[in-house]
Amino acid sequence: GNSVTQMEGPVTLSEEAFLTINCTYTATGYPSLFWYVQYPGEGLQLLLKATKADDKGSNKGFEATYRKETTSFHLEKGSVQVSDSAVYFCALRYNQGGKLIFGQGTELSVKP
Amino acid sequence: SAVISQKPSRDICQRGTSLTIQCQVDSQVTMMFWYRQQPGQSLTLIATANQGSEATYESGFVIDKFPISRPNLTFSTLTVSNMSPEDSSIYLCSLSSSPRDTQYFGPGTRLTVL
Repeated sequence: GNSVTQMEGPVTLSEEAFLTINCTYTATGYPSLFWYVQYPGEGLQLLLKATKADDKGSNKGFEATYRKETTSFHLEKGSVQVSDSAVYFCALRYNQGGKLIFGQGTELSVKP
Repeated sequence: SAVISQKPSRDICQRGTSLTIQCQVDSQVTMMFWYRQQPGQSLTLIATANQGSEATYESGFVIDKFPISRPNLTFSTLTVSNMSPEDSSIYLCSLSSSPRDTQYFGPGTRLTVL
């Protein structure tokens, strides 16, 4: 079936460190891929997306590239800040039906 | 992006009672979704609610437990019926204006069942 697998958390980094959160997916066809972020006490927000192979989504210094050959959509940021502390969810979605399939979420904690 | 509001934002309920959660959006949307986020877990889709037709439920969710209404293109309700402590979750409304569009989420309703 269709699924999304993220690296397990929590991930703890020092400020200005490089961040990678791995995300791989299993799917038939060509889904769109998303990263959502949930800051403490807040709702789910779209961080970035990519709709086809080799697309790169980017926002707020975060980037992720849709890699069809490795079925991956890893999230990266060159220099994290304390304010990036949140739970990050990778998700896929098909054009038909419209529902999102989420990974289990990865908690990121950035220390000053 | 659309503005999505949910009511109530949180509630504490007794076992065996029911709670209806409202979702209002500021623009007409085709597809609305209801998700559940159990404590410390990811989001799981409960059902898809399209205006003018019955909601489509995902495996493990049934209409008797989670009846949904979608009376127009800007509003939907989810009822959590005959609640038990296992229903304690955050319930989120989500929308998509077309199958290719990004999906946005409401702020969620935090439900605690005692």
